[in-house]
Amino acid sequence: DTGVSQDPRHKITKRGQNVTFRCDPISEHNRLYWYRQTLGQGPEFLTYFQNEAQLEKSRLLSDRFSAERPKGSFSTLEIQRTEQGDSAMYLCASSPEIRGAELFFGEGSRLTVL
Amino acid sequence: TQLLEQSPQFLSIQEGENLTVYCNSSSVFSSLQWYRQEPGEGPVLLVTVVTGGEVKKLKRLTFQFGDARKDSSLHITAAQPGDTGLYLCTSGTYKYIFGTGTRLKVLA
Repeated sequence: DTGVSQDPRHKITKRGQNVTFRCDPISEHNRLYWYRQTLGQGPEFLTYFQNEAQLEKSRLLSDRFSAERPKGSFSTLEIQRTEQGDSAMYLCASSPEIRGAELFFGEGSRLTVL
Repeated sequence: TQLLEQSPQFLSIQEGENLTVYCNSSSVFSSLQWYRQEPGEGPVLLVTVVTGGEVKKLKRLTFQFGDARKDSSLHITAAQPGDTGLYLCTSGTYKYIFGTGTRLKVLA
């Protein structure tokens, strides 16, 4: 297994457009997390899944953000009607279903909204 | 929501110096993890601590978990340029809330 992969690595879009990011976790991991990170800051929790169930979504996340994990494998994060404030690195991580397990991160998808 | 504050926010030191960074919360951690993130990459786990007062060593890095399990420190001895990165602490629970981070730059 090659680890967590994210696609695309970079996305430049115009304000008001929709964007979608994909995350492929480590295959045996049933937990998957999405974070947003701005330069020099710690990752901000967005949402997480256990298998296909979305167990929690940050209250900071507006209705323009939606995430899915339809078959409990890969996940997508969609941002509708992007705003300049959405510009950030979007990180995906996966872990086994063990309390305190290590998070394995992808390299992230960097979004720039013009 | 459990908040994790890290200090200092930024640290620039010369190669060979020692340093300590801190992670604090008003809440009790059931466990705590430290990660290091290098530019353009995702964070990578350094250590997990679970017992109050626990000390773990990883080569030149020493991690300590506070007795009350509300704080933790990371001490680096004889820092090297390869230690440069963003150091993050997180509660090792189901939601993994991360601290604000300490950005370390070690100059050769």
